[in-house]
Amino acid sequence: NFMLTQPHSVSESPGKTVTISCTRSSGSIASNYVQWYQQRPGSSPTTVIYEDNQRPSGVPDRFSGSIDSSSNSASLTISGLKTEDEADYYCQSYDSSNLVFGGGTKLTVL
Amino acid sequence: QVQLQESGPGLVKPSETLSLTCTVSGYSISSGYYWGWIRQPPGKGLEWIGSIYHSGSTYYNPSLKSRVTISVDTSKNQFSLKLSSVTAADTAVYYCAREIRWYYMDVWGKGTTVTVSS
Repeated sequence: NFMLTQPHSVSESPGKTVTISCTRSSGSIASNYVQWYQQRPGSSPTTVIYEDNQRPSGVPDRFSGSIDSSSNSASLTISGLKTEDEADYYCQSYDSSNLVFGGGTKLTVL
Repeated sequence: QVQLQESGPGLVKPSETLSLTCTVSGYSISSGYYWGWIRQPPGKGLEWIGSIYHSGSTYYNPSLKSRVTISVDTSKNQFSLKLSSVTAADTAVYYCAREIRWYYMDVWGKGTTVTVSS
């Protein structure tokens, strides 16, 4: 089994850009797609990125995803931060028989 | 528009079996896709429990596999979760979700809170 490690929290000002990392403990990050979910307080998660860098319809292009094989990590970048982006963000990936979530990152927009 | 709704007891006694059902509307389960269960303990992160294909094949979280059964009833357009021998550590919000690929949840239910307590 592998783990996905995220920073516990990040903060940034409105209008700025923030990047949230997600590091895979074993196995190549490039071998299996990474998804990112946004969860606002009291709500269900929603997808902001799937298959490393794909945005579902309705997700603004301020949200982007990437992977870096050299650090075995994935990243979620949010540009032009808005107060409505304040939420918990979870990365998620898988292997042949297991689906794993990262521990989540609390984004504060202040 | 696809919608999922979890239902089941909100309180379960320790050592008993937790049983939840997810009712799907706006899409026929028998048409395809995987259907999964995810939980979130209070103040903590998300944990995948397991998934079932519309044909009935299943994948389970290795850490829960010995206690979990997921089944599908295409006639009722529902799928269900059973988690046996529960303890307080199983207290969580339980979500059902559609998995457009087995590894990617595109539609989630609103979640239902289950508390394990005597």
